[in-house]
Amino acid sequence: GAGVSQSPSNKVTEKGKDVELRCDPISGHTALYWYRQSLGQGLEFLIYFQGNSAPDKSGLPSDRFSAERTGGSVSTLTIQRTQQEDSAVYLCASSSPPGYEQYFGPGTRLTVT
Amino acid sequence: QKEVEQDPGPLSVPEGAIVSLNCTYSNSAFQYFMWYRQYSRKGPELLMYTYSSGNKEDGRFTAQVDKSSKYISLFIRDSQPSDSATYLCADSGASGGSYIPTFGRGTSLIVHP
Repeated sequence: GAGVSQSPSNKVTEKGKDVELRCDPISGHTALYWYRQSLGQGLEFLIYFQGNSAPDKSGLPSDRFSAERTGGSVSTLTIQRTQQEDSAVYLCASSSPPGYEQYFGPGTRLTVT
Repeated sequence: QKEVEQDPGPLSVPEGAIVSLNCTYSNSAFQYFMWYRQYSRKGPELLMYTYSSGNKEDGRFTAQVDKSSKYISLFIRDSQPSDSATYLCADSGASGGSYIPTFGRGTSLIVHP
């Protein structure tokens, strides 16, 4: 079946611009996660959605970062007023039930110039 | 802060060798353990997952969990150059109502012909 998809695969933006990254989880997966991976670094947890519950935003690095999940499926991660330190690969993963094995998308490589 | 510790490597082995990759974890409440393989510029790919203690085998790969010592291992038999990648371990479970896995930083494996 279809896996997790993310778009765009690459995004180059100027400092100060806003960007939106999209994630389509595996159909039927109730849990959705966003992570950030900087070059040579581990996975940094950003935000977690589970069903209709309020998301766990404990990993968001600043108030410039936000995310939403519409209809319990597609999710969008928005970064406002991008900074050069936001340059990284943004990964989305889904699982069902929550806490079980996660399946990752290919990631969006964000470069802020 | 609950953590998963992993030696970053690189671990360099000749083709055909048996590879042992290891992690230690600290959150004894977590019961679910996962191994991911990540090729350069790709998203993590789920290799294996285990629940609680014991072994699980899949082809050339064996995952092992020792809860008494909080030790997670992945063994690769007859290693191939195509196994060259970064291997991430993770543990997961319910913590404070959230199901957010904890990932190790990854071990870089190089299998040379």
